[in-house]
Amino acid sequence: GDSVTQMEGPVTLSEEAFLTINCTYTATGYPSLFWYVQYPGEGLQLLLKATKADDKGSNKGFEATYRKETTSFHLEKGSVQVSDSAVYFCALSDQYGGSQGNLIFGKGTKLSVKP
Amino acid sequence: DTGVSQDPRHKITKRGQNVTFRCDPISEHNRLYWYRQTLGQGPEFLTYFQNEAQLEKSRLLSDRFSAERPKGSFSTLEIQRTEQGDSAMYLCASSLWAGELFFGEGSRLTVL
Repeated sequence: GDSVTQMEGPVTLSEEAFLTINCTYTATGYPSLFWYVQYPGEGLQLLLKATKADDKGSNKGFEATYRKETTSFHLEKGSVQVSDSAVYFCALSDQYGGSQGNLIFGKGTKLSVKP
Repeated sequence: DTGVSQDPRHKITKRGQNVTFRCDPISEHNRLYWYRQTLGQGPEFLTYFQNEAQLEKSRLLSDRFSAERPKGSFSTLEIQRTEQGDSAMYLCASSLWAGELFFGEGSRLTVL
């Protein structure tokens, strides 16, 4: 079945460092890909998305490109801030693979940014 | 605020008791989802409604779990005869479009 694998955390970076969180997926259909973020004490929020191959999603300085050839959707940010400290979840939605549009999540990667 | 709201935020119960969680989605959203999240894991899909129809249920949803969405508005998730393994965060989400889900803050269940 469909699945998402993302890099183990926690990840600890200094402010202004470059961030990459790796995410790869397995899907039977043509999934849409998402990054969700969960800040401390808050609910999951959509960070960015890409719906087809070679699409780039971006928001709040974060970017991720849908790579069908490598089945990847890595999250990047050029300069992280303390306020980016959160848990990041990669997810896919394989509507045409029969999942009714629900999301399949990775296990999450906790990011801590130190001043 | 017109986001997804869940109630209660935290429920502590004894093994064998029944518990019910409520979710009020964003008003114009016709899709509603329930997920379960345990520590260190991503959310796991439980069930999905489109309007009042329950269209999909995960194998994770045992016979002790039941969900309803009368009139296509709020939803309830009931767990009967709770077990310690049911302890988790139960998340509700709603959406207009497939995949772009808006989540509530969750209802944390602790079964003693």
